[in-house]
Amino acid sequence: EAGVTQSPTHLIKTRGQQATLRCSPISGHTSVYWYQQALGLGLQFLLWYDEGEERNRGNFPPRFSGRQFPNYSSELNVNALELEDSALYLCASSSYAGSGNTIYFGEGSWLTVV
Amino acid sequence: TQLLEQSPQFLSIQEGENLTVYCNSSSVFSSLQWYRQEPGEGPVLLVTVVTGGEVKKLKRLTFQFGDARKDSSLHITAAQPGDTGLYLCAGEKNGNKLVFGAGTILRVKS
Repeated sequence: EAGVTQSPTHLIKTRGQQATLRCSPISGHTSVYWYQQALGLGLQFLLWYDEGEERNRGNFPPRFSGRQFPNYSSELNVNALELEDSALYLCASSSYAGSGNTIYFGEGSWLTVV
Repeated sequence: TQLLEQSPQFLSIQEGENLTVYCNSSSVFSSLQWYRQEPGEGPVLLVTVVTGGEVKKLKRLTFQFGDARKDSSLHITAAQPGDTGLYLCAGEKNGNKLVFGAGTILRVKS
């Protein structure tokens, strides 16, 4: 069974540009989560989507946005890129939106802003 | 300010030694998860603990959830070089939002 898949693996953008990252959850999973892992800051929660809707959002500016498609895959968009947006962006999925659920991570997308 | 304080940040030990990583918070979590992450890869789930006082074992790894569900520990017995990696604890709060600790970088030297 395929795990959580993310694309692209690496992305290089210049300041001010927009970046789009994609995630396909494990088959049967309806919840998708996005995390940012920046050097020295650890894993920071970005967004949670379930059944096509945004359920929760971390402390990030509005230029971080995303969506979940009917097939439960998801996109993370980062507008007006800043140098400090350079990080590993991790997508995770879970099978249900309940307490004690287990989430599984993809391998991440490395975004470098120059 | 980290909601989940993880310690130590770095640990470098010899093969065969034992170690404990701690994850502490003033908040109560409905569950707590431990992950291991290797360079260039995403975190891989090791265990989920749900009940206060729960102890789970995974080969040489022992995980404990505090009675009040505010803290957790990971104990590794007879560490091996293959245990080297970043260990992350993550607490689940309301709304399925996982809060991560800053991580513990473990290096086991042979």
